[in-house]
Amino acid sequence: DGGITQSPKYLFRKEGQNVTLSCEQNLNHDAMYWYRQDPGQGLRLIYYSQIVNDFQKGDIAEGYSVSREKKESFPLTVTSAQKNPTAFYLCASRMTSGFYEQYFGPGTRLTVT
Amino acid sequence: DQQVKQNSPSLSVQEGRISILNCDYTNSMFDYFLWYKKYPAEGPTFLISISSIKDKNEDGRFTVFLNKSAKHLSLHIVPSQPGDSAVYFCAASASGAGSYQLTFGKGTKLSVIP
Repeated sequence: DGGITQSPKYLFRKEGQNVTLSCEQNLNHDAMYWYRQDPGQGLRLIYYSQIVNDFQKGDIAEGYSVSREKKESFPLTVTSAQKNPTAFYLCASRMTSGFYEQYFGPGTRLTVT
Repeated sequence: DQQVKQNSPSLSVQEGRISILNCDYTNSMFDYFLWYKKYPAEGPTFLISISSIKDKNEDGRFTVFLNKSAKHLSLHIVPSQPGDSAVYFCAASASGAGSYQLTFGKGTKLSVIP
């Protein structure tokens, strides 16, 4: 089955530690995205990548970093510089140009204490 | 400044009746609009979309209406079913930007009462 996987579903970290969230897709999609969702808020774009080895900052990139070494993978690192890291993180992907629909993974709930 | 607004945080509807979810946008460059449905602790799933060259798009029980002059779109669900209870997000994109980024509203929580 084609789809987007995010692991783990729940992640707990101590304040001050960096943590990397996994996102893998086997849909052969070119573009991948990371969003953050907070209670009562919409989805806010953190980073996106339209091709391998290239990525751009979204609206709230501060305190986050990404890499895109393979088409299938787009990991997100939440660094200790992110002031409010506890949130629900969603990864999405999209086909090539001309298609707007993004398809989402199941999400990772990160709790930092 | 919110470019996509869903002014109703919640909506309750009786099973079998029509659900109407509304969305307003401010950016005149937006020319493609999407609706997503989301259950708690899950990723959003794509429901239906509409291009600015149309004013209506229908898919089964779901219909999206676009009023460009009012910068307003709405999602109609007929008939509403208990399984439709979820948070619905409106999203918009500007094709001229080239990045196909989506800008999301804050969502409307729909509760369908049996």
